Amino acid sequence: GNSVTQMEGPVTLSEEAFLTINCTYTATGYPSLFWYVQYPGEGLQLLLKATKADDKGSNKGFEATYRKETTSFHLEKGSVQVSDSAVYFCALKLSGGGNKLTFGTGTQLKVEL
Amino acid sequence: GAVVSQHPSRVICKSGTSVKIECRSLDFQATTMFWYRQFPKKSLMLMATSNEGSKATYEQGVEKDKFLINHASLTLSTLTVTSAHPEDSSFYICSAPGGGVSTDTQYFGPGTRLTVL
Repeated sequence: GNSVTQMEGPVTLSEEAFLTINCTYTATGYPSLFWYVQYPGEGLQLLLKATKADDKGSNKGFEATYRKETTSFHLEKGSVQVSDSAVYFCALKLSGGGNKLTFGTGTQLKVEL
Repeated sequence: GAVVSQHPSRVICKSGTSVKIECRSLDFQATTMFWYRQFPKKSLMLMATSNEGSKATYEQGVEKDKFLINHASLTLSTLTVTSAHPEDSSFYICSAPGGGVSTDTQYFGPGTRLTVL
């Protein structure tokens, strides 16, 4: 079946540190890949996405590249800020699968001064 | 961007009672909405797809008679947890896909924390 595996958190970093949150997937067919972010007390928001192999999604300084050969979509940011503290979810959507999303378990990020 | 609201944000009920959770798309229409359940330190689990004008589609293992879904209009879907029990305590989240060129994007509500005593 389809699944998404994320690194477990929580991840605690100092401000301006480099961030990597690993995400790998298993899917039949060719999925679109997403990163969603959930800030405290708010609903999930789309952070970035990539719809085909080698695509790079980027937003707010975050990047992730769709790697078909390693079935990965790792999230990176060069310099995190306190305001980036949130829970990050990796997700996939199969083409032809309607709008159903399969989520990873989420990774909590805490950025400290 | 598009906004999805949920009501209530928190609810505490006694075992055996029913609880209704509303999901509204505030500035766009949604013929489809999704209901998820989120367990602590677990991923979001898709429960069902709510379809305006037709029956909801439930994921395998989800009891449709326990989790009643009604897509009353193009902006409202409700989830009713019937005869709630403590094991139904969880965080319930709804989402709706954006329209036009944004159909690939899901807009999520802030969630409803249900506690069954």
